[in-house]
Amino acid sequence: QVQLQESGPGLVKPSETLSLTCAVSGGSFGTYYWNWIRQPPGRGLEWIGYMYYSGSTKYNPSLKSRVTISIDTSKTQLSLKLRSVTAADTAVYYCARGSLIWGSLDAFDIWGHGTMVTVSS
Amino acid sequence: QSVLTQPPSASGTPGQRVTISCSGSSSNIGSNYVYWYQQLPGTAPKLLIYRSIQRPSGAPDRFSGSTSGTSASLAISGLRSEDEADYYCAAWDDSLSALVFGGGTKLTVL
Repeated sequence: QVQLQESGPGLVKPSETLSLTCAVSGGSFGTYYWNWIRQPPGRGLEWIGYMYYSGSTKYNPSLKSRVTISIDTSKTQLSLKLRSVTAADTAVYYCARGSLIWGSLDAFDIWGHGTMVTVSS
Repeated sequence: QSVLTQPPSASGTPGQRVTISCSGSSSNIGSNYVYWYQQLPGTAPKLLIYRSIQRPSGAPDRFSGSTSGTSASLAISGLRSEDEADYYCAAWDDSLSALVFGGGTKLTVL
């Protein structure tokens, strides 16, 4: 079955760029919407954005100016770049598979285990 | 401040029926499906209810979802100790053009 595995640096300095990857195994990118979601320590979930396998993207307006999501289909990897980070970006970052229904995001049926990123000097 | 409003906590004893509410607006719950995710301690969220009332395969039928206007509810019947977790509602918001989550409800089984 499809499995997702996030990876990347656990510590990022303020003002730098956070870069994470999500490896997709056991399946392909085809016809799905690949998402990033984050969860600050002790707090709730926040949707960051998605990329469709064909390349279209949609981002949360609150993060849009700092976020880029991309897909490397040859490596079956999803990537996240978040620029100019601050302590408020400290969180567990999850990748998740979704789809669309009537133009809106449908369920996230498969999630990665998540990776903790701390922003600190 | 989350776009969808959930009570921060809920509790019940084994065997009881518990409901968790999720309040939104006409741009999210009022016009789009609602999703519920269960997050057990130290783990990633897991899909529990999709398209407001549907259960994915593997989700116990003790869990059920409903909506009414701009609010949604998750009901858990026959409460078990393993149901102790955080529960999040989510819906697409047409005004924000973004997926929004509730702040989460921590369910304690007494």
